[in-house]
This record gives sequence, structure tokens and C-alpha cells, in this order.
Amino acid sequence: DTEVTQTPKHLVMGMTNKKSLKCEQHMGHRAMYWYKQKAKKPPELMFVYSYEKLSINESVPSRFSPECPNSSLLNLHLHALQPEDSALYLCASSQDGTGLNEQFFGPGTRLTVL
Amino acid sequence: GQSLEQPSEVTAVEGAIVQINCTYQTSGFYGLSWYQQHDGGAPTFLSYNALDGLEETGRFSSFLSRSDSYGYLLLQELQMKDSASYFCAVPLRGTARQLTFGSGTQLTVLP
Repeated sequence: DTEVTQTPKHLVMGMTNKKSLKCEQHMGHRAMYWYKQKAKKPPELMFVYSYEKLSINESVPSRFSPECPNSSLLNLHLHALQPEDSALYLCASSQDGTGLNEQFFGPGTRLTVL
Repeated sequence: GQSLEQPSEVTAVEGAIVQINCTYQTSGFYGLSWYQQHDGGAPTFLSYNALDGLEETGRFSSFLSRSDSYGYLLLQELQMKDSASYFCAVPLRGTARQLTFGSGTQLTVLP
């Protein structure tokens, strides 16, 4: 199984809502990532979990809260988002967190904040 | 600072060959990756060059010159389905050497 799955595919939320994005992989990868991607732009790294520990937090606002319950699962909890947070949120995984290995991306969650 | 530069757009016709260049400036260099992303889709890995030279995988090849801080992706026998965005990416030097992506090249293949 070389697939990264993400749910939901689409999410529309108001600025006062709380929601969560979910990501799962069963490739035995020990690093998992959250990226944010705006239209016509490259993916921007938000968080990295390496061996289930948060190793990188790229100065992301606290309204985004990551969680890694186990080595196969990654969540991104959303609270009090702003309209400018509307974007495609991509989850990825790789063998380790060195950045030297291929990253496998999920299909993304397209988030719209009203 | 760290930067990757690639052309924003390239257009070619079916059956042609196209080269997408990437120049980089990084404080430490470990290799150059290429990813393809179709509209509305996820990025998918194409290649990784850690050493100088040409790596060939089917219709796609990737080249690296570390002395010139330069690489390119070569797409041969272009097909309509190759229309996509192509990103070069490098692991940044730091505690975890995470990937940073270039701004992307939108390739349009015309019939």
C-alpha cells in the first residue's frame, strides 16, 4: 500500500467553527508532514512529525494544532480560522524526516473558510 | 538565504522535448528533487539527484550540476497528460533538512 489518504476531501467552515483534518498512511513511514498550498503556489511546510514527535513547526499560527496519535495517523485541528486560511491542505509521509527521501502526498483537503 | 528559481511557464507541442531548468542557492546541498502536480491533484515524486549527471526514468530525465548549482528536468515525447506544474525541491540544511519547493513551472502541452 503506497497511498496516503486524507479526509475530508472538501471542508467549508465558519470562522468560529472547530474542525479536524485527518491523514493516514500504512507504508511504515516514520515522518509525516502538513503542507498548505495556495492556488498557483508551491506547497509550504507547516509541521513535521518525525517518529511521532513534532520536530518542525514553521511559525504556524496557533489556530492550527497538529496531533500525531500514532505512526500511521496525523491530524490537523482547526479553530477560529480566517478567510485567508482557505487553501489546499496536503499531508505527506516519508521513510524518515531527513528530507532526503521521496515524499508521498495525499490528495489534500480543500478548505474554504467563510 | 535559500532560493530556487525556475521558469513560471513553458509551452510545447505533443511529441516535442522540453527542458525545465532550476537554479538554487542553499547554505548546504544534499540533492535536487522534482515533483509533478496536475491541477487539483497531489504532488507526485519524479526524481532525485544527489550526484552530478543525468538520471533517466522512461520519458523523463533529470540532470544535476552541483558546481553550477543547476539542474533540469527533461521531458521527451510530450503527451497531453504531461500538462501539469513541475516543482524542483531541495532539502534545507538545518535540524531536519526539510524540503523546500521552487515556485513551480506550469507546462502546457498543445496538440
